Amino acid sequence: DAGITQSPRHKVTETGTPVTLRCHQTENHRYMYWYRQDPGHGLRLIHYSYGVKDTDKGEVSDGYSVSRSKTEDFLLTLESATSSQTSVYFCATGSGTTNTEAFFGQGTRLTVV
Amino acid sequence: GIQVEQSPPDLILQEGANSTLRCNFSDSVNNLQWFHQNPWGQLINLFYIPSGTKQNGRLSATTVATERYSLLYISSSQTTDSGVYFCAVDTGGFKTIFGAGTRLFVKA
Repeated sequence: DAGITQSPRHKVTETGTPVTLRCHQTENHRYMYWYRQDPGHGLRLIHYSYGVKDTDKGEVSDGYSVSRSKTEDFLLTLESATSSQTSVYFCATGSGTTNTEAFFGQGTRLTVV
Repeated sequence: GIQVEQSPPDLILQEGANSTLRCNFSDSVNNLQWFHQNPWGQLINLFYIPSGTKQNGRLSATTVATERYSLLYISSSQTTDSGVYFCAVDTGGFKTIFGAGTRLFVKA
């Protein structure tokens, strides 16, 4: 599996505060993704990146922003956390070009109180 | 956007039984993957299978891209097979879209 590290693994934060989650990969994969997982919804794509400084929105991007200043790091920021953003967040990376096999990190459990 | 539907949503098996999980998708895809999420939440790649058939031990998968479905077969199920199985597709826009999953519980 790809070397993908998410930090922190667990976080509790207050409503209205900004939160940043980090994803770090050691595989030099071009593509990186942020998903959230909620009961009954499976995994939903928040944002993705197809190269350094190249990002785009996924299915559920409202309230989130991302940045990718170097290949190995992809940051997800909740600009002003809300209780609806309580979830488990997964980072993934993709190898290949047009056919992208995805590999996942271990997840970050975020609770907004 | 593309729709990915998995069935059944829940499945309970007796250890040793066989099962088939299905994934239907509404549009052409560049690739398809099957994942297993274990009880600890880790997502594990099972198969990368845009078309054809692959086997890995007790698991095998078949994708018929022209008919827009994929099947995951689990034979001689074990308690360690419990968890959630996800199908995920890539439509070529560098986005991997997931189905809602099949939750499997294997009883000893």
